[in-house]
Amino acid sequence: AQSVTQLGSHVSVSEGALVLLRCNYSSSVPPYLFWYVQYPNQGLQLLLKYTSAATLVKGINGFEAEFKKSETSFHLTKPSAHMSDAAEYFCAVKGGRRALTFGSGTRLQVQP
Amino acid sequence: DAGITQSPRHKVTETGTPVTLRCHQTENHRYMYWYRQDPGHGLRLIHYSYGVKDTDKGEVSDGYSVSRSKTEDFLLTLESATSSQTSVYFCAITKQGGDEQFFGPGTRLTVL
Repeated sequence: AQSVTQLGSHVSVSEGALVLLRCNYSSSVPPYLFWYVQYPNQGLQLLLKYTSAATLVKGINGFEAEFKKSETSFHLTKPSAHMSDAAEYFCAVKGGRRALTFGSGTRLQVQP
Repeated sequence: DAGITQSPRHKVTETGTPVTLRCHQTENHRYMYWYRQDPGHGLRLIHYSYGVKDTDKGEVSDGYSVSRSKTEDFLLTLESATSSQTSVYFCAITKQGGDEQFFGPGTRLTVL
């Protein structure tokens, strides 16, 4: 069965600083991986996805993630944080019947 | 936007009462899902459907049932609500040929 682990339930950065949100996966088959963002009181929005093409995936709002098979990781990064990036971020892996298994989430706080 | 609506958006009910949540989509997608979101757990799959009258259980299906008599509607029923079912419930779809899921706005359910 596929699973993902997000390291750090809360991450705080200063505005303009690098954002790094960590996700490690476990999968017996080549994984399809996703990052979603959830703003307060809203649903989930897709940031980016990895589907076995390029290992460096670019998403919306300046985010990107790199798939590293040797490290079983799919960390999310953004070079310069903006106040509007404050939200909760979820890593997910696709399983059977296209259902997703989610990590427990990382809440990003951006300090002015 | 995948044309997903959920109703009601908020509901407060008492222990032991039945509750039905509705997910409606306007684009005739085959795959539909119900998740619950709880702090520290991310989103967990309750049930999913891969067509009219075709449904299956997810990770946390105990105490929940679903029905899909029309492509556009996927209903989640709590037969006898308990306080442990207080949560935010999200419906999602996968588009034909796609991998990522698109989420509805969620229903906040409180069971007193």
